[in-house]
Amino acid sequence: ETGVTQSPTHLIKTRGQQVTLRCSSQSGHNTVSWYQQALGQGPQFIFQYYREEENGRGNFPPRFSGLQFPNYSSELNVNALELDDSALYLCASSRPTSGGSGELFFGEGSRLTVL
Amino acid sequence: QQQVKQSPQSLIVQKGGISIINCAYENTAFDYFPWYQQFPGKGPALLIAIRPDVSEKKEGRFTISFNKSAKQFSLHIMDSQPGDSATYFCAASGRGYQKVTFGIGTKLQVIP
Repeated sequence: ETGVTQSPTHLIKTRGQQVTLRCSSQSGHNTVSWYQQALGQGPQFIFQYYREEENGRGNFPPRFSGLQFPNYSSELNVNALELDDSALYLCASSRPTSGGSGELFFGEGSRLTVL
Repeated sequence: QQQVKQSPQSLIVQKGGISIINCAYENTAFDYFPWYQQFPGKGPALLIAIRPDVSEKKEGRFTISFNKSAKQFSLHIMDSQPGDSATYFCAASGRGYQKVTFGIGTKLQVIP
């Protein structure tokens, strides 16, 4: 069983640029959620995708957007990067029956640094 | 708004001792309370979870105690080992909730 994989693992961008992060969900999981983890903080929910549709969104501005593909993989796009966007971005997949149960399977994250 | 409050933020325990991390929540609609363990450079991994219909759940050296009336729950790590050194997050979610709400995290260091 393949776990959640994310790419790239590290990247550096400058303020104002755009970034795309990618995630492959665990086999058999059709729901993907994205979280932002700032240094020394707990993960904060960005949004969730289910059956290629956004299915819930946290308190993040519209410049954070996403996609889910038919194979359940997902992308997180962030436009007009700001210094405060520097964080670890975590993708998590969950089983079809778990819904909002909180049983998330995380990838190792993409560490974004904005200069 | 921090819906799940976690303490302490850091904890140092001697090998063989008991590590205790506490969390409190506000939203009474929460009905699933997982704990995640995160090692440096890794994503969080589910450690143990509890639903509010039981007051305690034990898996190996890890125990969750749950107090529904006080809206508090805690993680106890018995016989703590250096390999347990990691950051622990309590969390909460509910039926129909898309998001999981995490606490701020507790950095545990187990010293030999």
